[in-house]
Amino acid sequence: EAAVTQSPRNKVAVTGGKVTLSCNQTNNHNNMYWYRQDTGHGLRLIHYSYGAGSTEKGDIPDGYKASRPSQENFSLILELATPSQTSVYFCASGDGTGNSDYTFGSGTRLLVI
Amino acid sequence: GQQVQQSPTSLVLQEGENAELQCNFSTSLNSMQWFYQRPGGSLISVFYNPSGTKQSGRLTSTTVIKERRSSLHISSSQITDSGTYLCAMEQGTGGRALIFGTGTTVSVSP
Repeated sequence: EAAVTQSPRNKVAVTGGKVTLSCNQTNNHNNMYWYRQDTGHGLRLIHYSYGAGSTEKGDIPDGYKASRPSQENFSLILELATPSQTSVYFCASGDGTGNSDYTFGSGTRLLVI
Repeated sequence: GQQVQQSPTSLVLQEGENAELQCNFSTSLNSMQWFYQRPGGSLISVFYNPSGTKQSGRLTSTTVIKERRSSLHISSSQITDSGTYLCAMEQGTGGRALIFGTGTTVSVSP
């Protein structure tokens, strides 16, 4: 079954430390997305990708980098984590053709102390 | 400003009651969807409804493009309907990423 898998499921990081959130999809979708979900804000787009080697800035990219080394994998990198980045992060894949075929991962709960 | 507005923010229902959730868009409506999320869970697509009315079991979605709005009707609510319902619109550019509303949290009690 096609799926989007995120790791880790939960993460506690120290302020100033580096954090990498991983995402793997087996949908063979071209597009992948990273969102964060916070109370009162819904889901907000951080970075997205059109395919291997591509990364694009979303609506709130500051403090985040992304990497798409292959069709299947899309990582979100926090080089210097801050407490304001405490959130739940969701990865998603989409076919990018306007058929509205999106699959979301189970989320990563990140706490920066 | 916020492009997708959802109302109400929360809803408390007695089992068996009906409910109407609203979503309004400040820009032209494009590929509108509804998602369901359990507490601590992932997002599950409930409806892809760019226009018109669609029904799935006890759920009905109506999207009126000209009025830039969409609604989700829950009939005869059940405890298992509890969770957060999010509406989202697809961006025309930007990799067709979804723009989300802030969600409506529904609590159904016996």
